[in-house]
Amino acid sequence: EVQLLESGGGLAQPGGSLRLSCAASGFTFSSYAMAWVRQAPGKGLEWVSAITDNGGGAYYADSVKGRFTISRDTPRNTLYQQMNGLRAEDTAIYYCARLRWYANAFYFDYWGQGTLVTVSS
Amino acid sequence: AIQLTQSPSSLSASVGDRVTITCRASQGISSALAWYQQKPGKVPKFLIYDASTLESGVPSRFSGSGSGTDFTLTISNVQPEDFAIYYCQQFNRYLLYSFGQGTKLEIK
Repeated sequence: EVQLLESGGGLAQPGGSLRLSCAASGFTFSSYAMAWVRQAPGKGLEWVSAITDNGGGAYYADSVKGRFTISRDTPRNTLYQQMNGLRAEDTAIYYCARLRWYANAFYFDYWGQGTLVTVSS
Repeated sequence: AIQLTQSPSSLSASVGDRVTITCRASQGISSALAWYQQKPGKVPKFLIYDASTLESGVPSRFSGSGSGTDFTLTISNVQPEDFAIYYCQQFNRYLLYSFGQGTKLEIK
């Protein structure tokens, strides 16, 4: 059974930093690209970042480019997101998601339960 | 940037109805579109990918169609557990991923 378990959320001050983790199990972690998707309170889904299966490529939404860094530790089966320069608008539930490749496109096929990040003074 | 616009933003239906949700892309995306269902306080659930392929375990009353810029999600014979928010999502090699704003399906 595929499981994704996020941790690391919490309260941060504007301009502060947090590091999110996502522990993966139930599948061959090294064979899948992974991503972070967020959802602000009462709002829709927003893709944040993605990383290739081998970690060689990382991609970001314009809203977080230069502030967030996605990475992965294959031996530990863990995905990370380092978030610096946090802003109030980064307040959201952050979901870790597995990416499925099909017919030249990626889709978010499994999601973790999410971790809440609140940016406030 | 490719934008996805869903319509309607919300709709009401009765159990047993057939409902259709539309997702329009601002540029052609071939068939690189997925649909997700999210119930209140829950994690999004993957329903359909490649515009029309049903994910394993998803009831056959869900179906998807379309290509290029216009896509639809149809739920035939709506069941009580189907009342939720539905999102479309696209992938492209340049701007990667984006989601529609969501469509809330409510009980009439």
